[in-house]
Amino acid sequence: QKEVEQNSGPLSVPEGAIASLNCTYSDRVSQSFFWYRQYSGKSPELIMSIYSNGDKEDGRFTAQLNKASQYVSLLIRDSQPSDSATYLCAVNGGVAGNQFYFGTGTSLTVIP
Amino acid sequence: SQTIHQWPATLVQPVGSPLSLECTVEGTSNPNLYWYRQAAGRGLQLLFYSVGIGQISSEVPQNLSASRPQDRQFILSSKKLLLSDSGFYLCAWNSGSTYNEQFFGPGTRLTVL
Repeated sequence: QKEVEQNSGPLSVPEGAIASLNCTYSDRVSQSFFWYRQYSGKSPELIMSIYSNGDKEDGRFTAQLNKASQYVSLLIRDSQPSDSATYLCAVNGGVAGNQFYFGTGTSLTVIP
Repeated sequence: SQTIHQWPATLVQPVGSPLSLECTVEGTSNPNLYWYRQAAGRGLQLLFYSVGIGQISSEVPQNLSASRPQDRQFILSSKKLLLSDSGFYLCAWNSGSTYNEQFFGPGTRLTVL
């Protein structure tokens, strides 16, 4: 069973719409949850981190965490063409939480 | 502020040749350090991580090895490259606290021919 699962997409949304990205994880003891954005040919860039149940907002981005359901999501409001990228979900785990497990990513295209 | 460097940025090597990729972190001490590989169109595969000098944990048995000769230096090596070693190699760090984020270097794109 994969540690972290994401829909691979591709997900296409029109400019100005809300993009919704979802992720589930298998390790119930995970405490840290992250969303990374990766442009083609570039390294992943951290855009959101969340540690408690509920919502966390940062600009146009909102991360949502539900530990009971082992589910974390990312909402992107007012989507822009520059948001077109692959979004990676990551959770910590392993001994002392020093390891990080990544999903395979969801490809998002924002259509002008 | 913290900065993470990787070099070289790109590398083309023949099958059977050795490999050495270097990663250094500035602006922090005693970081956790990580090597990942991302094959074309695939997710991130954790190869090695280190919580201190000389301490290396291997996640996937393969022909690669890692070393941490200094606190902020992490090296990925191979004695003989395989075609399957091609990929995007990423070094990352975090400060070691359970709640701390992980940050990536710019990566090295390796092509084995």
